[in-house]
Amino acid sequence: QKEVEQDPGPLSVPEGAIVSLNCTYSNSAFQYFMWYRQYSRKGPELLMYTYSSGNKEDGRFTAQVDKSSKYISLFIRDSQPSDSATYLCAMTAYSDTGANSKLTFGKGITLSVRP
Amino acid sequence: KAGVTQTPRYLIKTRGQQVTLSCSPISGHRSVSWYQQTPGQGLQFLFEYFSETQRNKGNFPGRFSGRQFSNSRSEMNVSTLELGDSALYLCASSPRSGVGSYEQYFGPGTRLTVT
Repeated sequence: QKEVEQDPGPLSVPEGAIVSLNCTYSNSAFQYFMWYRQYSRKGPELLMYTYSSGNKEDGRFTAQVDKSSKYISLFIRDSQPSDSATYLCAMTAYSDTGANSKLTFGKGITLSVRP
Repeated sequence: KAGVTQTPRYLIKTRGQQVTLSCSPISGHRSVSWYQQTPGQGLQFLFEYFSETQRNKGNFPGRFSGRQFSNSRSEMNVSTLELGDSALYLCASSPRSGVGSYEQYFGPGTRLTVT
């Protein structure tokens, strides 16, 4: 079992739809959770990060973490064609040395928002 | 502020050769991490450097190595290239190492093709 599983997609939605992207993980040591967006031929771009269970909102984006279920989600409200990209979840653990630079990624899901 | 830059952007090499990739982090960022991205495995952590020292390492063979210079620029080297090394190699910089280094900013990547 991979440490991080992400819905494989692809996902196609009409403009204005609410999008829900999900990841599950098996390593209970993961404490920090991130969502990245990657456009074609570009590097991943950090969208949001959180380290506590619950919701964190930033504009049209909401990140949700449920540590008890080992489940994280990203919601996109009022989706736009410019949101069309690959979305990757990432997470990392806290270690005694504090060296939590090693991010473990989901494989990503490609989202297409149709005008 | 300029983003993370990587050179070259594209590279074609032959099996058995070696290759060196370069990364310049965001000004003021002292932590540099390297990742390999392939369609089959997704994004996988290679290693992280901070203040010219390797702080964290992923599960890659010893053919993959790196270093960091006093100006925080980093290079990654792959020796005895194999066909399976064909991938997008991404560099990410962070303003912190250890706790908080999950906040990483990626460059556009170097697309390596091994023939």
